[in-house]
Amino acid sequence: GEDVEQSLFLSVREGDSSVINCTYTDSSSTYLYWYKQEPGAGLQLLTYIFSNMDMKQDQRLTVLLNKKDKHLSLRIADTQTGDSAIYFCAEINTGGFKTIFGAGTRLFVKA
Amino acid sequence: DAGVTQSPTHLIKTRGQQVTLRCSPKSGHDTVSWYQQALGQGPQFIFQYYEEEERQRGNFPDRFSGHQFPNYSSELNVNALLLGDSALYLCASSIWSSRVGNEQFFGPGTRLTVL
Repeated sequence: GEDVEQSLFLSVREGDSSVINCTYTDSSSTYLYWYKQEPGAGLQLLTYIFSNMDMKQDQRLTVLLNKKDKHLSLRIADTQTGDSAIYFCAEINTGGFKTIFGAGTRLFVKA
Repeated sequence: DAGVTQSPTHLIKTRGQQVTLRCSPKSGHDTVSWYQQALGQGPQFIFQYYEEEERQRGNFPDRFSGHQFPNYSSELNVNALLLGDSALYLCASSIWSSRVGNEQFFGPGTRLTVL
């Protein structure tokens, strides 16, 4: 089946690292994504990882993929108040065009 | 480039009515997907249009239908509205690449309220 699960809330202090976790069920997932949604706005693609990779780093963002456990994480280094938003994990499988989203993790950054 | 645009921004309808939402894709994109995002939930895939055809559909009833025009813009139609159809409707445009897969660019959404 297709399902993506995330914890609902995360609160960190400004300057700390944030780690947002996600699990998915579709073993044929080929691309996994992290999107950010700010209040009143659509979704913005933050980063992605191809299923044959274990890690991807992009400036303050690090994505880790454990394909065996179907676990994906997003680490945000030096978290800023502007990072406060909802973060969605999403997957797409080979030959499919449907992107499956998790329910989102709301990140609160305390100054 | 204006990015993905959607209209209207907000809409209020009553049960049983019909609604049409519109989306213009990002320049150069040929694929449009529609999503329903209920409050506090992630986006749920409704369907995707490519070359004016519905290419894949999510678990939504036939009351939800769509169309893609030759200029790649798209409409989402919902008939016989129910209270549960109240949500943010997101349109995303994309063009497939082997590097990113389905990199989608989202519009700001249309907030539909059904009374």
